[in-house]
Amino acid sequence: NAGVTQTPKFRILKIGQSMTLQCTQDMNHNYMYWYRQDPGMGLKLIYYSVGAGITDKGEVPNGYNVSRSTTEDFPLRLELAAPSQTSVYFCASSSELAGYNEQFFGPGTRLTVL
Amino acid sequence: GQNIDQPTEMTATEGAIVQINCTYQTSGFNGLFWYQQHAGEAPTFLSYNVLDGLEEKGRFSSFLSRSKGYSYLLLKELQMKDSASYLCAVLDSNYQLIWGAGTKLIIKP
Repeated sequence: NAGVTQTPKFRILKIGQSMTLQCTQDMNHNYMYWYRQDPGMGLKLIYYSVGAGITDKGEVPNGYNVSRSTTEDFPLRLELAAPSQTSVYFCASSSELAGYNEQFFGPGTRLTVL
Repeated sequence: GQNIDQPTEMTATEGAIVQINCTYQTSGFNGLFWYQQHAGEAPTFLSYNVLDGLEEKGRFSSFLSRSKGYSYLLLKELQMKDSASYLCAVLDSNYQLIWGAGTKLIIKP
């Protein structure tokens, strides 16, 4: 199993551009998450999904959109990129929402908006 | 609001023992997690506590006191590869993980 994979690993965007961060998991997990991690800060939840066709906002959803058409894929869309969106983005998945909820993380996407 | 506090940075010596503390104030509690994150890498799961007490797993142990809103991660027989950030996270009443900023642990020979 590859686990959770993310593409691209690095990206530089100009202000106002858009892009999609890809996330795929092959563990048949129902739950998937998108986090951002700023330097010296904890992970902040952007969006999450409890299954195909179901998504919900996390703590910092503004400026982002998601979709979940399959169990495996959970892309994150940035519209009109802003410097405040410069961060490291992690996708994660887990098999249960409650209780013993070990989340498996992808390697991250390092995004810079200039 | 919800808050998780950890020391920003700690230094310890190879072979020694170190305790990393975490205090939390969250809306509800459904478990506390510790993750390890090496620089430039993704977090990886270390431990999970939902009941009070100590959970031991090899060189790593994690303790929880729900009444005090307090946990610690104990690392024994420190190795250079233990140099990393250690993240404390609490599962709140909405079953969302609330993350601390992490403690950067520096191991010196």
